[in-house]
Amino acid sequence: GAGVSQTPSNKVTEKGKYVELRCDPISGHTALYWYRQSLGQGPEFLIYFQGTGAADDSGLPNDRFFAVRPEGSVSTLKIQRTERGDSAMYLCASSPSTGPGELFFGEGSRLTVL
Amino acid sequence: AQKVTQAQTEISVVEKEDVTLDCVYETRDTTYYLFWYKQPPSGELVFLIRRNSFDEQNEISGRYSWNFQKSTSSFNFTITASQVVDSAVYFCALSDDSGNTPLVFGKGTRLSVIA
Repeated sequence: GAGVSQTPSNKVTEKGKYVELRCDPISGHTALYWYRQSLGQGPEFLIYFQGTGAADDSGLPNDRFFAVRPEGSVSTLKIQRTERGDSAMYLCASSPSTGPGELFFGEGSRLTVL
Repeated sequence: AQKVTQAQTEISVVEKEDVTLDCVYETRDTTYYLFWYKQPPSGELVFLIRRNSFDEQNEISGRYSWNFQKSTSSFNFTITASQVVDSAVYFCALSDDSGNTPLVFGKGTRLSVIA
């Protein structure tokens, strides 16, 4: 597709379960970002990749959160032992390169932890 | 540390009115970039503008205009003759020039344009 694709669009899970959220960036974009957006708040940075490597993971809230991008394209955000406080919209964005340029966002994956 | 403040949580206007969304930022960097993004009900953030800290010229794009004032650390966004399709949440954001610092967003302003 032409834009950033995120799946699933909605995920409902129970507390304690493991969740994976997938992001398929725009073809050729080397930089990929994950943000989390809670209701009524702006997006908060989690992690970004330049190619296959995590260039900055300082926004990951704790070690239950992990993300990979093994081939430098698709990325998966993994959340272990989910908690109710993890409920949020998870946004993925890509960019042709790092630097202060435009980010292209997907429509997000809404996670609800019951 | 970088910070973006959007003091207006929600604004409601009647169609065809002009509306200004405020953005105030804090940074210690001498070179930085400011952005505005629109988030319609579909959820996908859409890029509107990027402004370099060295360029203080105001910019106009159709019904949209931006006023960057370094002296007051503000980067305000005005929509002229608002339309119902302008209803969305608008985010102001800030990044440094290095490319190593991710975009920092404000909390957003929800704009409702009533027909």
